[in-house]
Amino acid sequence: KQEVTQIPAALSVPEGENLVLNCSFTDSAIYNLQWFRQDPGKGLTSLLLIQSSQREQTSGRLNASLDKSSGRSTLYIAASQPGDSATYLCAVYGSARQLTFGSGTQLTVLP
Amino acid sequence: SAVISQKPSRDICQRGTSLTIQCQVDSQVTMMFWYRQQPGQSLTLIATANQGSEATYESGFVIDKFPISRPNLTFSTLTVSNLSPEDSSIYLCSVVWGTYEQYFGPGTRLTVT
Repeated sequence: KQEVTQIPAALSVPEGENLVLNCSFTDSAIYNLQWFRQDPGKGLTSLLLIQSSQREQTSGRLNASLDKSSGRSTLYIAASQPGDSATYLCAVYGSARQLTFGSGTQLTVLP
Repeated sequence: SAVISQKPSRDICQRGTSLTIQCQVDSQVTMMFWYRQQPGQSLTLIATANQGSEATYESGFVIDKFPISRPNLTFSTLTVSNLSPEDSSIYLCSVVWGTYEQYFGPGTRLTVT
């Protein structure tokens, strides 16, 4: 059974810092990995999708990498802003044809 | 991409009653998914709903408690029956689009008193 772990559970940084969120998964037989953002009490916004054949994806200040063989992904956020404060969720889509989510990293960017 | 709407956005219900949540997608999709997010927790898949067939429920979720309808390729409902305070959660529907990218609705926040 696929298990997804995210470290750290919470992170607080001053505005302007670059930061890295980590995600690991136990079963490397995945179709893709998605990073989501969730604001308090809201739904999920898809940030980046990395296909299993890809190594990384970039969108603006966000860069996500995937090392399928080691079961790891990182989300890099450059020049963080207070508006980046949210919970970031990593999820893998695997052979069971469903998404398995990590428990999330709660990010606070201090002005 | 797919645009998903949910109704209601939030509700407060009494113990023992039921709530039906609607999910509407702006495009035809084969599979729709229903998730539950309990307070402070990540998302847990309740069931997968395919049009024209019975929903497939995950371990720990049963049809009597969470009946699902999927009358066409753009719409689904989830009913949470016989409500108890433990059912207080955010319920989200989602669809797979394109190369297995998943999109989520805005969620329904349920509070049971």
